[in-house]
Amino acid sequence: KAGVTQTPRYLIKTRGQQVTLSCSPISGHRSVSWYQQTPGQGLQFLFEYFSETQRNKGNFPGRFSGRQFSNSRSEMNVSTLELGDSALYLCASSRLPTTFEAFFGQGTRLTVV
Amino acid sequence: DAKTTQPPSMDCAEGRAANLPCNHSTISGNEYVYWYRQIHSQGPQYIIHGLKNNETNEMASLIITEDRKSSTLILPHATLRDTAVYYCIVRDGGTGANNLFFGTGTRLTVIP
Repeated sequence: KAGVTQTPRYLIKTRGQQVTLSCSPISGHRSVSWYQQTPGQGLQFLFEYFSETQRNKGNFPGRFSGRQFSNSRSEMNVSTLELGDSALYLCASSRLPTTFEAFFGQGTRLTVV
Repeated sequence: DAKTTQPPSMDCAEGRAANLPCNHSTISGNEYVYWYRQIHSQGPQYIIHGLKNNETNEMASLIITEDRKSSTLILPHATLRDTAVYYCIVRDGGTGANNLFFGTGTRLTVIP
């Protein structure tokens, strides 16, 4: 079966712009989470969605937001981009929020210039 | 969630067993131990999880000490493709895996 699909794979944006990243979970998976990975901070949890509701949120500013649609697809948005937002953004899906195994996509590499 | 401590790096000869330790001395009774790995430029990959019994799957074995304060992930016959960063994560069983806090992990290098 198809894995977690993230689009686009690579993105270059200018400071001050906003960006939207997309994640399609594995078919049948209803829980989606987003992570940011940078060389300095490592892998950090951004937020988790289930049934179109945000269940948990990491320690990120309000410029980072997300949503989940009725088909479980998810988007995350970053407004007023800063150079420090350059990172690999990873999406993970699981069947339910309490499922033990999460599947990660390949990520979207965002570069802010 | 309980904090975990892992060595920053380890080497292993190809074909030998790789034993990756993790210390989680403050683990509570309902917290599970998860292991994920991340191969360069890819998303993390689930390996195994356990509560208190030893667990084995097609990828690895997880040995948890009786007091649950530490565990060891064993890759029985390491290959070059096992070179990756391995993360040990402790998480409440009711929370699930889609809200994980990754530490710095152990960078395993398998040497030919």
